[in-house]
Amino acid sequence: AQSVTQLGSHVSVSEGALVLLRCNYSSSVPPYLFWYVQYPNQGLQLLLKYTTGATLVKGINGFEAEFKKSETSFHLTKPSAHMSDAAEYFCAVTLGRSGAGSYQLTFGKGTKLSVIP
Amino acid sequence: DGGITQSPKYLFRKEGQNVTLSCEQNLNHDAMYWYRQDPGQGLRLIYYSQIVNDFQKGDIAEGYSVSREKKESFPLTVTSAQKNPTAFYLCASSMVGTSFNYGYTFGSGTRLTVV
Repeated sequence: AQSVTQLGSHVSVSEGALVLLRCNYSSSVPPYLFWYVQYPNQGLQLLLKYTTGATLVKGINGFEAEFKKSETSFHLTKPSAHMSDAAEYFCAVTLGRSGAGSYQLTFGKGTKLSVIP
Repeated sequence: DGGITQSPKYLFRKEGQNVTLSCEQNLNHDAMYWYRQDPGQGLRLIYYSQIVNDFQKGDIAEGYSVSREKKESFPLTVTSAQKNPTAFYLCASSMVGTSFNYGYTFGSGTRLTVV
């Protein structure tokens, strides 16, 4: 079985400060990992993903995340927060085509990011 | 442009009434999913379908029903048996097989309110 834990349901940062949103997963085999962003009353939009290859992945809007197998983590970072980054962020994991729940993403409960002017 | 369309954006249901939420995609995706979103609870899977004429229950299927008669369409019916239907409903689609690493594409959601 796979699961995702996002530490902190709410995170506040000042504009221009570092954004760090934490995601840890449990999986018996190397997973695929995703970060999505959701603005109020909208659907989820893919920010970035890790499937294979380079463990540091870059996404849209200046976000990046690093897959650390030894720590079972996939934390999302952005060097300098902008007001437009205020949204809810979801980490998700899947085993892909293997195991139970094939082709299903398991989502964390989300982290709401507030950016203070 | 390819995408996934949910309608309506807002829906109001009276007590004891069934309502149907529409989800249509033109991405040629094989799989489609319905999620329910409540504040602080993340996304909970209601139903999913990986092929036409077949679908599976998710974690919270009670009080909901679906059909998958066409690849492009996956409507969700919220029945009167669902006692607390007020929520934000999200539809998603994806490829299966080796292309699944593209993840899900989401619709813009339907907000259902009981009046």
